[in-house]
Amino acid sequence: AQKITQTQPGMFVQEKEAVTLDCTYDTSDQSYGLFWYKQPSSGEMIFLIYQGSYDEQNATEGRYSLNFQKARKSANLVISASQLGDSAMYFCAMREKATGRRALTFGSGTRLQVQP
Amino acid sequence: DSGVTQTPKHLITATGQRVTLRCSPRSGDLSVYWYQQSLDQGLQFLIQYYNGEERAKGNILERFSAQQFPDLHSELNLSSLELGDSALYFCASSVEEGFSSPLHFGNGTRLTVT
Repeated sequence: AQKITQTQPGMFVQEKEAVTLDCTYDTSDQSYGLFWYKQPSSGEMIFLIYQGSYDEQNATEGRYSLNFQKARKSANLVISASQLGDSAMYFCAMREKATGRRALTFGSGTRLQVQP
Repeated sequence: DSGVTQTPKHLITATGQRVTLRCSPRSGDLSVYWYQQSLDQGLQFLIQYYNGEERAKGNILERFSAQQFPDLHSELNLSSLELGDSALYFCASSVEEGFSSPLHFGNGTRLTVT
C-alpha cells in the first residue's frame, strides 16, 4: 500500500489565487511527521513546511499553510496568493516514529503551473 | 542554498561502467541520506549513514554501495551500470536529533547511462 498518496498529477492556478495540493497518508503509528518539499525545474528539493501528528494547530510558513485533518489522514498544502515562481513539482513526505527510521517516504508529487 | 554539496552535477557513462557520486553535508549535520529520483519510481530512499556508520537501508541494489568518511562526506558507488540506473541522485543531510528536523537536499547528480 502507498504510504503517501498525491492524487493530482498536475494542477493549474491563476496568479494571485490560492491553490490546495492534496496529500493523504497511511500509517498506524500515532507519532509521525509530515513534510512538504518544492522541486523547481532546476531540480533542487526545497523544504517548505512541517506538521507533527501531535501539533494542535495547522502549520504555517509565510504563504504556505497545511490543512491537517488527522482523522482523515490528510495533510494538504495550501499556497496563498500564487506567484509565477511557485510553478514546480510539490512532494508530500512522511516520517514515522515507530519505524525508528529518519528517512522520509515521498509521494509521487503534483506539478503546479501558475498562469499569468 | 541548502548547504549540501554534490558533485558532479552531470555524469554520462556507458552500460557496465562504475561511477562515484560525492556529497558534502551541511556543516554540523552528521546524517547523510541518498535518494534516487526516476520518472517511473519517483523518489526512492537508498541508504542512510550517521557519523560514519550505516544507519538504515532502503531500496538500494546490491550493485550500489555507499560510505561516509571521517570528515562526514559521503560517496555513492554505482557499478555494472544499466540503462535503468539513469536517474537524478540526491544526497540529503540532517541533524539526528529532533523528529521534526527536515532533510536538506543537495542539487543532485544527474546520471545518464547510454
